[in-house]
Amino acid sequence: NAGVTQTPKFQVLKTGQSMTLQCAQDMNHNSMYWYRQDPGMGLRLIYYSASEGTTDKGEVPNGYNVSRLNKREFSLRLESAAPSQTSVYFCASSEGDWLVRESYGYTFGSGTRLTVV
Amino acid sequence: GEDVEQSLFLSVREGDSSVINCTYTDSSSTYLYWYKQEPGAGLQLLTYIFSNMDMKQDQRLTVLLNKKDKHLSLRIADTQTGDSAIYFCAEKGTGGYNKLIFGAGTRLAVHP
Repeated sequence: NAGVTQTPKFQVLKTGQSMTLQCAQDMNHNSMYWYRQDPGMGLRLIYYSASEGTTDKGEVPNGYNVSRLNKREFSLRLESAAPSQTSVYFCASSEGDWLVRESYGYTFGSGTRLTVV
Repeated sequence: GEDVEQSLFLSVREGDSSVINCTYTDSSSTYLYWYKQEPGAGLQLLTYIFSNMDMKQDQRLTVLLNKKDKHLSLRIADTQTGDSAIYFCAEKGTGGYNKLIFGAGTRLAVHP
């Protein structure tokens, strides 16, 4: 099925370890996003990529880096994990051209549940 | 700045109607959305409304938009146990790309 695929689904890290969360979409979408979800705080934007070759900071970028490898893939890297980064991470994609199909909103992956101990 | 607010919990009896409310701050929002998140899953687009509309109906779902008060609501008729989930309100923020601002989500619990 077409959509957004995230790997891994679950991960436990020790403080100070690094890891990369992978995201790929097969809908030929231009824009991709990384969010974190914490109880009572909803979704907060970490980084986004409006189009291939560009990335920008969102609301909570500290401690993270991203790479838009190609149009399909957008990865999120934690260089030195901290307990405050324990969260559920969602990748999403959209057409990106807000003059076209703006009403369709985002398509989300199923999430990565990360625990940092 | 842009902000979206929702109450965190709602409990209803099976068969009753549920009304989930949301307020937003960006008066230039063109589209407003409702997403549903089931346990352990990502968010799925449930419905959306364009800002020049007051109401949109889609089967058991009714979206009401009061643009003057910047208030959005989602009514679910004949609520079923399968409707138990977290519901997120979102507005399209300002800027040249499709940035969505999400509320914190309302957890809907449906009991017999």
